[in-house]
Amino acid sequence: KNQVEQSPQSLIILEGKNCTLQCNYTVSPFSNLRWYKQDTGRGPVSLTIMTFSENTKSNGRYTATLDADTKQSSLHITASQLSDSASYICVVSDIMVTGGGNKLTFGTGTQLKVEL
Amino acid sequence: GAGVSQSPRYKVTKRGQDVALRCDPISGHVSLYWYRQALGQGPEFLTYFNYEAQQDKSGLPNDRFSAERPEGSISTLTIQRTEQRDSAMYRCASRRTSGGAGELFFGEGSRLTVL
Repeated sequence: KNQVEQSPQSLIILEGKNCTLQCNYTVSPFSNLRWYKQDTGRGPVSLTIMTFSENTKSNGRYTATLDADTKQSSLHITASQLSDSASYICVVSDIMVTGGGNKLTFGTGTQLKVEL
Repeated sequence: GAGVSQSPRYKVTKRGQDVALRCDPISGHVSLYWYRQALGQGPEFLTYFNYEAQQDKSGLPNDRFSAERPEGSISTLTIQRTEQRDSAMYRCASRRTSGGAGELFFGEGSRLTVL
């Protein structure tokens, strides 16, 4: 069964510090991996999308890495801000050989809280 | 429409009642996903469609849950004989294509509360 596991489940850091969130997946065959930020009560907002051939992608203070061999991804947040407090969700897409398109498998998310 | 629209935004119902949640994706989007998120929990995949075809319904918790997208556009998620454990935010997302790394657009969700 395809799974996406994220760690840590929750994290508290001080403003200005860096942090790294992890995403391990067993989805196969792999198509792409997305990181989303979800503020409380809001819908997810896309941060990065990476395909098999991409190792790293940045979006401002967010940098995502992908190791398709070990099936691991990380999201690094630099110089955290209070507004970074949110749930971060990893979503992995497979390739449906039957031509039915991609199925998305959602991770359970990491809840990040940035404090003063 | 300009974005993914879901209705109702809030639904409070008594245990045992049926509810229907609607998702109107962005016009022309091929793929439509349903997932739910209980309070304080991560998202849980329910089902998805390409056009009108339901590709995977393995995430539907039991046979009280069903979904359809008869014309390949608007989708309805129906929960029969609701139970308190069905309370969650039900979200819909759509994508222009069925494959690749295309952007996924999310609706604001329908918050269901079963008393």
